[in-house]
Amino acid sequence: EPEVTQTPSHQVTQMGQEVILRCVPISNHLYFYWYRQILGQKVEFLVSFYNNEISEKSEIFDDQFSVERPDGSNFTLKIRSTKLEDSAMYFCASMRSDYTQYFGPGTRLTVL
Amino acid sequence: GNSVTQMEGPVTLSEEAFLTINCTYTATGYPSLFWYVQYPGEGLQLLLKATKADDKGSNKGFEATYRKETTSFHLEKGSVQVSDSAVYFCALTDTGNQFYFGTGTSLTVIP
Repeated sequence: EPEVTQTPSHQVTQMGQEVILRCVPISNHLYFYWYRQILGQKVEFLVSFYNNEISEKSEIFDDQFSVERPDGSNFTLKIRSTKLEDSAMYFCASMRSDYTQYFGPGTRLTVL
Repeated sequence: GNSVTQMEGPVTLSEEAFLTINCTYTATGYPSLFWYVQYPGEGLQLLLKATKADDKGSNKGFEATYRKETTSFHLEKGSVQVSDSAVYFCALTDTGNQFYFGTGTSLTVIP
């Protein structure tokens, strides 16, 4: 069965550094999402992406965040200047047209 | 606005017990409703969904019925197994552009 993949599985960075989290969605899906989950807490929507542009973004998704689909297969989340509170699991998801979402295994981001 | 309220956990049950995890929602339109399951160290997996009122979603012995009159989508299973131990999330979307998740309910099933 096709699956969403994410790299790296764990990223450690210093506060103020830029990070790029990578995702490869399922190939025939057209809708892509990033979520974050702070340890043991709820899953928070960050952004959705369709037709090469952002569809919707949450209040969390401020100017420090950006998304890109650079080559038709990868879907990236960039955090320009990381803060301690950005430490979380980041999940990518892609969706079929019937609203069935498939989540990747996540990237654990640790900001020191 | 849209939101989902889930029963607080954690929930601990003995194997073969009946499970109910309550979920209620607030939505401005006519949302689709979902239950996701997250096993330790993994991403979320769609467990079941319902797209309109009175629909029943079911999968792996789990069921939930979309009740518009009570704005609820409670998850049930008649006989839980140890392998059902996980965190369960209720979620909704109205347009597909944004999904709203509940806080999650941790379930532990003991033999």
